[in-house]
Amino acid sequence: DAKTTQPPSMDCAEGRAANLPCNHSTISGNEYVYWYRQIHSQGPQYIIHGLKNNETNEMASLIITEDRKSSTLILPHATLRDTAVYYCIVRVIRGGSTSYDKVIFGPGTSLSVIP
Amino acid sequence: SAVISQKPSRDICQRGTSLTIQCQVDSQVTMMFWYRQQPGQSLTLIATANQGSEATYESGFVIDKFPISRPNLTFSTLTVSNMSPEDSSIYLCSVVGGRQFYGYTFGSGTRLTVV
Repeated sequence: DAKTTQPPSMDCAEGRAANLPCNHSTISGNEYVYWYRQIHSQGPQYIIHGLKNNETNEMASLIITEDRKSSTLILPHATLRDTAVYYCIVRVIRGGSTSYDKVIFGPGTSLSVIP
Repeated sequence: SAVISQKPSRDICQRGTSLTIQCQVDSQVTMMFWYRQQPGQSLTLIATANQGSEATYESGFVIDKFPISRPNLTFSTLTVSNMSPEDSSIYLCSVVGGRQFYGYTFGSGTRLTVV
């Protein structure tokens, strides 16, 4: 299963873009990159996911490099409520007679948005 | 995405006792997952629970300590047995969302303190 590495912590000024990097150099061709965040004392919240194309939704943008070995989550205008731990995850799904689908969490990046 | 109700939200228990955590989902899901989050740490997968089969435990977790039931497609329980203070953690259940590639939905967690 592909592992991910992220910086342990980052700061971002309120109103500025937050760019959170993630390395997943051992990712396989059919494995998706997912991003979640966890605000203190709550369950993780889905943000966005992608395979090889850049993706955007109402929360964030995901930029995946052409070789798929790394990606960047972009929060375009960070607010204080975006302060959280952000997890970059490779989702392993294997079909066939034995279904296999699980998410392994790394330590994540603790993002602090500063007024 | 699915809506998960997890009970209890928190509990304080005496060492040597057991606690059963319930996870109710508002739609039928094939796979449910149980995670543990120790203080200040990331999430660790305990086991995968599929309806109609034995739960699959991750390395370091055993059925005698964390028995799991999965009686139907909307409900699961995790029991933390013979508790010690080291079991003090947040326990979370998770399911794959309504659309497979939407991602995982997490419950709000059970904060367990063992004294």
